[in-house]
Amino acid sequence: QQQVKQSPQSLIVQKGGISIINCAYENTAFDYFPWYQQFPGKGPALLIAIRPDVSEKKEGRFTISFNKSAKQFSLHIMDSQPGDSATYFCAASGGDYKLSFGAGTTVTVRA
Amino acid sequence: GAVVSQHPSWVICKSGTSVKIECRSLDFQATTMFWYRQFPKQSLMLMATSNEGSKATYEQGVEKDKFLINHASLTLSTLTVTSAHPEDSSFYICSAQTGNQPQHFGDGTRLSIL
Repeated sequence: QQQVKQSPQSLIVQKGGISIINCAYENTAFDYFPWYQQFPGKGPALLIAIRPDVSEKKEGRFTISFNKSAKQFSLHIMDSQPGDSATYFCAASGGDYKLSFGAGTTVTVRA
Repeated sequence: GAVVSQHPSWVICKSGTSVKIECRSLDFQATTMFWYRQFPKQSLMLMATSNEGSKATYEQGVEKDKFLINHASLTLSTLTVTSAHPEDSSFYICSAQTGNQPQHFGDGTRLSIL
């Protein structure tokens, strides 16, 4: 049973466009919500993370929006570049620090 | 900073042999290390959590006698896949964490059992 549901499974965006990936969770004990970027054959790399006390966090071209009441959070990639083509995973954890990952979204940025 | 190194990056071995994978935190002391498995085009599934000097805690459905984890120091954890079979072929990834800081992941080990 996947504790974090992620959509879409894949998306294609033109260079300069915005990529949006959505995640939803059920466990109200989750208090840490990171996003990871993974390239083929590599481990995931932390992109950006948020805690439930804020509704939005921005780092460069990456923004997390968090809706605690709806138990949803999303990643926006602004001004998408070909180098952003990768698989993106949302995740969530609580006090035990164990990460539950979403299913992943493959993003393809067309030049 | 926060570099996690995994070795080997790729290993091919015969069915029935045992394979050891190392995970090292190079520039920080990891109080906790995690081991994940990832099948092609799928998500990461947590296998076990290990704290330095303690026995590993395994997730439901993971055979602890098959996947032996040792966390002997604050910078090294090993995963040994014993009597490996083709169905154990997968991408194994470790992560390391200190306190409540974010987990940092290694680059994974691709295990192929013939």
